[in-house]
Amino acid sequence: EDQVTQSPEALRLQEGESSSLNCSYTVSGLRGLFWYRQDPGKGPEFLFTLYSAGEEKEKERLKATLTKKESFLHITAPKPEDSATYLCAVQVNSGGSNYKLTFGKGTLLTVNP
Amino acid sequence: NAGVTQTPKFRVLKTGQSMTLLCAQDMNHEYMYWYRQDPGMGLRLIHYSVGEGTTAKGEVPDGYNVSRLKKQNFLLGLESAAPSQTSVYFCASSYSRSENNYGYTFGSGTRLTVV
Repeated sequence: EDQVTQSPEALRLQEGESSSLNCSYTVSGLRGLFWYRQDPGKGPEFLFTLYSAGEEKEKERLKATLTKKESFLHITAPKPEDSATYLCAVQVNSGGSNYKLTFGKGTLLTVNP
Repeated sequence: NAGVTQTPKFRVLKTGQSMTLLCAQDMNHEYMYWYRQDPGMGLRLIHYSVGEGTTAKGEVPDGYNVSRLKKQNFLLGLESAAPSQTSVYFCASSYSRSENNYGYTFGSGTRLTVV
């Protein structure tokens, strides 16, 4: 059974205090790993897709990295507007053209001014 | 370009009532999905569709039915609502081609309360 575990469940940072969120996964064959941001009362918003170990992607203060067992979302010098829940999801290689995503429970990030 | 639109945004049902949630996308996506999101449980797949006229069960399908009569629409039905179905429901859509770099596009959700 495919499993995605995110840690910590909640993280509180001061503005400018860099940190990382973790997403560990156990899947039969990884096709892609996705990061989403979700603001309260809204649907998840796409951030990154990573496909292979060693791959990195950046967007503003966020950088996502991938190994064979986990992914990290690094947040450099965060601002209060980075406060949100960050979701990790995996897409696995299946027999058909099936693009189901399995999500972790998310990390609630709060950045205080 | 509206993306994925869900209606209604909020609804309160009494136990045993029925209702249909509507999802519409204007991106010509082949695949569509219904998820529910509960505190501490994350997003769980209810049903999905890989094309017009097709549907399949996800992780938590019991108590729900779906239909995809048109490519752009995906309907989620509750025939006899139960308090356990109180949740936030998200619809999403995606491309089917292998160069699927963007995962899903999500709607803004429907907050359903069953009393």
